[in-house]
Amino acid sequence: AQKVTQAQTEISVVEKEDVTLDCVYETRDTTYYLFWYKQPPSGELVFLIRRNSFDEQNEISGRYSWNFQKSTSSFNFTITASQVVDSAVYFCALSEARRGYQKVTFGTGTKLQVIP
Amino acid sequence: DADVTQTPRNRITKTGKRIMLECSQTKGHDRMYWYRQDPGLGLRLIYYSFDVKDINKGEISDGYSVSRQAQAKFSLSLESAIPNQTALYFCATSDPGVTLAGLSTDTQYFGPGTRLTVL
Repeated sequence: AQKVTQAQTEISVVEKEDVTLDCVYETRDTTYYLFWYKQPPSGELVFLIRRNSFDEQNEISGRYSWNFQKSTSSFNFTITASQVVDSAVYFCALSEARRGYQKVTFGTGTKLQVIP
Repeated sequence: DADVTQTPRNRITKTGKRIMLECSQTKGHDRMYWYRQDPGLGLRLIYYSFDVKDINKGEISDGYSVSRQAQAKFSLSLESAIPNQTALYFCATSDPGVTLAGLSTDTQYFGPGTRLTVL
């Protein structure tokens, strides 16, 4: 069975601070994918990133960076110099690679509040 | 225009009423999904469809039904709504990408959500 744990329910930071959102996953598969989604206050879910289990290189996209470590089964998300627009709920998700349907398991989300 | 649209965006209804939530997409994806989101529970899959003739139950399908009218349309129905179906409902679409030795995984793209309240 696969599982995604986002232990941080809510985080508050002051604008311009860096913040890391933790994601720990469990899977028996060796081939899987990890995702991050952002849910701003308006409610929609926005896809941010997908990584496969064979690619442990860190990814940077502007102020966003992701650190994937198979040794600790973690896929953490860091926002550098946070801004008020980063305030949202962030979901980490796991999908096992299959020929056919792949169940996507979502974490329970981390609510980030960036205070001006 | 949004690639995945949901109607209505908000709905308040009464216990026992039949409700239909609609989802349309212009992404050309074959696969479509319905999820519900509840506070503290993340997203849970209700139904999914790989094409018009292929519909499957997800983890919480009881009390729901779906209809895939066309590749681009996937509707979710609550035959007799009850208060614990109050939630935020999301439609998603995906297109299978074959990678990693023939094993695929999809990236799911979500609609804006429908907030349903059952009184």
